[in-house]
Amino acid sequence: NAGVTQTPKFRVLKTGQSMTLLCAQDMNHEYMYWYRQDPGMGLRLIHYSVGEGTTAKGEVPDGYNVSRLKKQNFLLGLESAAPSQTSVYFCASSYSPGLAGEQETQYFGPGTRLLVL
Amino acid sequence: AQKVTQAQTEISVVEKEDVTLDCVYETRDTTYYLFWYKQPPSGELVFLIRRNSFDEQNEISGRYSWNFQKSTSSFNFTITASQVVDSAVYFCALWDSGNTPLVFGKGTRLSVIA
Repeated sequence: NAGVTQTPKFRVLKTGQSMTLLCAQDMNHEYMYWYRQDPGMGLRLIHYSVGEGTTAKGEVPDGYNVSRLKKQNFLLGLESAAPSQTSVYFCASSYSPGLAGEQETQYFGPGTRLLVL
Repeated sequence: AQKVTQAQTEISVVEKEDVTLDCVYETRDTTYYLFWYKQPPSGELVFLIRRNSFDEQNEISGRYSWNFQKSTSSFNFTITASQVVDSAVYFCALWDSGNTPLVFGKGTRLSVIA
């Protein structure tokens, strides 16, 4: 049981390049989330999904797209990277149907450090 | 609107001292959950505790304890006899029934000095 995994762990991009961050969870969770963490800003929600095939915008969605084609995977895309997107990105998941009281607890992946030059 | 305030940005203590991390929350909902997460220097976010709004009992787990007071909308976290391994950023978070994602505070960086 790996929990939440993220690929890659670290990436350097040039301005204008595109990339996709992959998040995978093996806990049968319905909900998945993408956050970014910047110094002094805490965790800010980018996008989230409450089920396969659904996505919703969070606090800072601009410049990012997401897809949830499979329940266990949540992809975060940067179509044209900008230096302002240099950050640490965290994926999280929550909510196992049938586990009463557990739906609100989010479990996090190890993070992806992205540097945009 | 939901809000979580962690007024202490950084705290430094000497090993073996007790330290309390403050968390104040805002919500209009009567059903909500409060959380604490730990982010050690390695970077991962570790879930520590969840408390629901109907349970005001304080919780103790080893050297960690949590004080939930609805009257002051606070959910404070105390580390007794702190150790260097407690050095981390600690986040408080809120979930209420009207909002699926968690709302996080900005975190408190705790440094425990040997």
